[in-house]
Amino acid sequence: GAVVSQHPSRVICKSGTSVKIECRSLDFQATTMFWYRQFPKKSLMLMATSNEGSKATYEQGVEKDKFLINHASLTLSTLTVTSAHPEDSSFYICSAPQGTSGGAGETQYFGPGTRLLVL
Amino acid sequence: GENVEQHPSTLSVQEGDSAVIKCTYSDSASNYFPWYKQELGKGPQLIIDIRSNVGEKKDQRIAVTLNKTAKHFSLHITETQPEDSAVYFCAMTYYNQGGKLIFGQGTELSVKP
Repeated sequence: GAVVSQHPSRVICKSGTSVKIECRSLDFQATTMFWYRQFPKKSLMLMATSNEGSKATYEQGVEKDKFLINHASLTLSTLTVTSAHPEDSSFYICSAPQGTSGGAGETQYFGPGTRLLVL
Repeated sequence: GENVEQHPSTLSVQEGDSAVIKCTYSDSASNYFPWYKQELGKGPQLIIDIRSNVGEKKDQRIAVTLNKTAKHFSLHITETQPEDSAVYFCAMTYYNQGGKLIFGQGTELSVKP
């Protein structure tokens, strides 16, 4: 299957700092990528849809000024957690559909995840 | 809103036995149903998927069945092995939602040797 990478795999930061997480599709182009958040022993919660060349679409209850998303190219989306606080500590995962339109029915591949710990 | 109910939340089987996980959904417009396996500390890995025009799909020890009338789909793992131990998530998406996946709550499968 297709490969999606994330960097860093783990990050520890102080409260009040900002953290950037990168998501790359390595062997295919993705006009759409998705960002999820996962708490321990819980399911994946969709945060936002990242759209190449346009603004991200955020799910209800997700603060767009807190979680900045930039889809700079067809293979890279970044999530920046601004002014991070301990409650932002979580496992962040991105995914990309292997297709050009991001439409339903396209196989989605997930990155390995980024563990964020805010002290 | 759209949701997927997944059962059971935990499942323990003996090595060599079969495991079945079931998901039900509410929106009849759903047309794509993937299953993911997630190991501790890792991202979800696609193991099998099925589209709404097919009733069953099999890949070696793994199979998925879909009943669109009853709005449920199931994952079947035969001849389970200890390395099958993980959390399994069902998901669904549908035509007018731009590929967004809605996930079930997850099933923690434990295969005892």
